[in-house]
Amino acid sequence: DVKVTQSSRYLVKRTGEKVFLECVQDMDHENMFWYRQDPGLGLRLIYFSYDVKMKEKGDIPEGYSVSREKKERFSLILESASTNQTSMYLCASSILPGTGEAFFGQGTRLTVV
Amino acid sequence: DQQVKQNSPSLSVQEGRISILNCDYTNSMFDYFLWYKKYPAEGPTFLISISSIKDKNEDGRFTVFLNKSAKHLSLHIVPSQPGDSAVYFCAASVGTGNQFYFGTGTSLTVIP
Repeated sequence: DVKVTQSSRYLVKRTGEKVFLECVQDMDHENMFWYRQDPGLGLRLIYFSYDVKMKEKGDIPEGYSVSREKKERFSLILESASTNQTSMYLCASSILPGTGEAFFGQGTRLTVV
Repeated sequence: DQQVKQNSPSLSVQEGRISILNCDYTNSMFDYFLWYKKYPAEGPTFLISISSIKDKNEDGRFTVFLNKSAKHLSLHIVPSQPGDSAVYFCAASVGTGNQFYFGTGTSLTVIP
């Protein structure tokens, strides 16, 4: 079974803090993704990566950066957390090429106060 | 601009009846479509997919229909069970393994 693990289920951070969300997958997938889920807005793509050290902006990259130093690990960084970044963050991975389905982690509920 | 739309935020169905969840898309380049199911406080799990070369795909109680001319797909669940109560997201991509575009989700409640 594919496993995508996010380092924290719940996080509370203060405005202005630098926040790191970590994601690890164990299936040697090329693609990795970071989404945020908000009520009424569905899942919106922040960044994705199709290879080590490669990254592509998604639909809402502002205020975020990412790092992929190893194939299995994809980190999302909030440079200076703000209250409008309070959300559920979901990491996913998929094989390239393949069936196209993405496997998701359990999510991190981030609250910025 | 939302390229994948689920216009019904919620749906309630009696146990044993059919659930039909709908999804519309605007980008004619999309050629791969997926449905995900999400329980609260969990990540989405893959349910079923369909390629644009097909118009129907079945997996047990779940069937996805694709109408390319209408840019519309639907997920049918027959018979519906209380354990099917969850939020369902449709997603689309151009080719496999690339960026997925998700809809806003439909919350399905199956009433025992």
